[in-house]
Amino acid sequence: QSVVTQPPSASGTPGQRVTISCSGSSSNIENNFVYWYQQFPGTAPKLLIYRNNQRPSGVPDRFSGSKSGTSASLAISGLRSEDEADYYCAVWDDSLSGWVFGGGTKLTVL
Amino acid sequence: EEQLVESGGGLVQPGGSLRLSCAASGFTFSSFTMNWVRQAPGKGLEWVSYISHSGRDIYYTDSVKGRFTISRDNAKNSLYLQMNSLTDDDTATYYCTRDPRLDLWGQGTRVTVSS
Repeated sequence: QSVVTQPPSASGTPGQRVTISCSGSSSNIENNFVYWYQQFPGTAPKLLIYRNNQRPSGVPDRFSGSKSGTSASLAISGLRSEDEADYYCAVWDDSLSGWVFGGGTKLTVL
Repeated sequence: EEQLVESGGGLVQPGGSLRLSCAASGFTFSSFTMNWVRQAPGKGLEWVSYISHSGRDIYYTDSVKGRFTISRDNAKNSLYLQMNSLTDDDTATYYCTRDPRLDLWGQGTRVTVSS
């Protein structure tokens, strides 16, 4: 049972907007930056969003992040087939003195 | 090009040991804190350990405390993970990754604990 909770699955059709939630607590999300990663099978995770809502260069603006209180969200607009992947949120936990990852959300593009 | 390359994984019997290495290039390794993150087959990402720039501050996830030791050699641009008393639950792909954004990952090295 992860300290930070994500839905195990999400889905949408091409062109739709989907959101993935990440729920935590005061020891992690509320007081620290949230990060989002995309992972395809057999490959290393790739940073999508840093510091709650910042995009690294090269990440399309279809991807956006937000945070409020002890929860955060990743939104993907204009969904494309190539967005089908696993998505993870991550945040530093002050009580555990370590990074915590959400359990991951498998995104299916129908 | 900034790069992290892990090595040292393999098949080991329960109770055995392995030492993983992570070679950094293309950036000033000593300026970054570093982590090991693992992923069991078909499972999610799990943070394993953190080490500060100098190696003075070190943290572990509870399940590896007393068994794993993280270290670094800034002169060699390298990060290490000594893993002892391995169990089936340690079977995973191990990644090294750079703080503070976990923005750079290696390709991973696979560790299989099995008799």
